[in-house]
Amino acid sequence: ETGVTQSPTHLIKTRGQQVTLRCSSQSGHNTVSWYQQALGQGPQFIFQYYREEENGRGNFPPRFSGLQFPNYSSELNVNALELDDSALYLCASSREGSEPQHFGDGTRLSIL
Amino acid sequence: QKEVEQNSGPLSVPEGAIASLNCTYSDRGSQSFFWYRQYSGKSPELIMSIYSNGDKEDGRFTAQLNKASQYVSLLIRDSQPSDSATYLCAVWGWGKLQFGAGTQVVVTP
Repeated sequence: ETGVTQSPTHLIKTRGQQVTLRCSSQSGHNTVSWYQQALGQGPQFIFQYYREEENGRGNFPPRFSGLQFPNYSSELNVNALELDDSALYLCASSREGSEPQHFGDGTRLSIL
Repeated sequence: QKEVEQNSGPLSVPEGAIASLNCTYSDRGSQSFFWYRQYSGKSPELIMSIYSNGDKEDGRFTAQLNKASQYVSLLIRDSQPSDSATYLCAVWGWGKLQFGAGTQVVVTP
């Protein structure tokens, strides 16, 4: 069984740039969620996709957007990057939203 | 008020002792409850899930849920140095999974 994979592992960007992070869900999972984890904090829910539709969103501005593809892989796009966007971005997949979510290794994003 | 609250720690536990971790949540409509372990620099790893009131045991771990008190706990028996990590409480409700800030556990030999 293939687990959740994320790419890239690390990324450095400058303020104002745009970034795309990618996630492949665990086999058999059709729900993907994205989280932002700042140092010393718990993961903060960004949004969730189920069968290619966004079906839940946390308190993040519209410059955070996403996609889910027919194979249930997903992208997180962040526009107009700000210094506070520096964080570990985690992707998690599950069979359904309420079921246990399994995390990828994350993408560490640094904004200069 | 944070929606999921945990003591930040660190919780220092002698090797072989029981570590007791607590979590409270604010939304009475919450349906599913999870404990994750996160080693420094790594991603969260699911260790327990619990959905109904009472206790659930899995190896050295026991999760306890009391929905009336909006309280969920995790006991780690026979603590080992490899249990040193941050433990995250997560609560599912209204279409999203919300995490506490985590409790750091340090198991001392």
